[in-house]
Amino acid sequence: SYVLTQPPSVSVAPGQTARITCGGNNIGSKSVHWYQQKPGQAPVLVVYDDSDRPSGIPERFSGSNSGNTATLTISRVEAGDEADYYCQVWDSSSDHPGVFGGGTKLTVL
Amino acid sequence: EVQLVESGGGLVKPGGSLRLSCAASGFTFSSYSMNWVRQAPGKGLEWVSSISSSSSYIYYADSVKGRFTISRDNAKNSLYLQMNSLRAEDTAVYYCARDGPFMDVWGQGTTVTVSS
Repeated sequence: SYVLTQPPSVSVAPGQTARITCGGNNIGSKSVHWYQQKPGQAPVLVVYDDSDRPSGIPERFSGSNSGNTATLTISRVEAGDEADYYCQVWDSSSDHPGVFGGGTKLTVL
Repeated sequence: EVQLVESGGGLVKPGGSLRLSCAASGFTFSSYSMNWVRQAPGKGLEWVSSISSSSSYIYYADSVKGRFTISRDNAKNSLYLQMNSLRAEDTAVYYCARDGPFMDVWGQGTTVTVSS
């Protein structure tokens, strides 16, 4: 089955740029979606189809996807961005196509 | 307002059964595929199951295949997850999520605890 690999944690100072990676075999050929989850809350979609933003998500959130790595970039990080972030793909070639990465805890220093 | 509300969670003994429900409102439920996603305490998100809009296509994670059954009733705007032969490792918050094919709407979750 398809595997997505994320770093367990990323730390960044306020105002700086955070980059969270999501690795997978030829992930560049798939559509990658990113979710933000704060403690005790349901996940929220922040980027879909590699780089599109749902309405209401700040422009500070952006995404890219190429080769074996997809990246969620958060510019001008704020304290309120501290959360867990998950990447996700739909592996249509699989009998169990829903795949999430293990998640990355973003800490704002 | 687009909304998903889960219910049916609770405490169940190993080997027992539980049926989760997800009530949808504010959108045309019959036009969307739907998902169940779970999160064990202190762990990450785990995709559990998906069902297409007309129930033609159904998928399960290996961890629940043969024990869980996803279904929907478009007339009632409802999604279900029948969980049988429950194990301690099924303890989690269970979320239903609309599929677009990204999961753009999530419920608040319902907690399932499997313990003797």
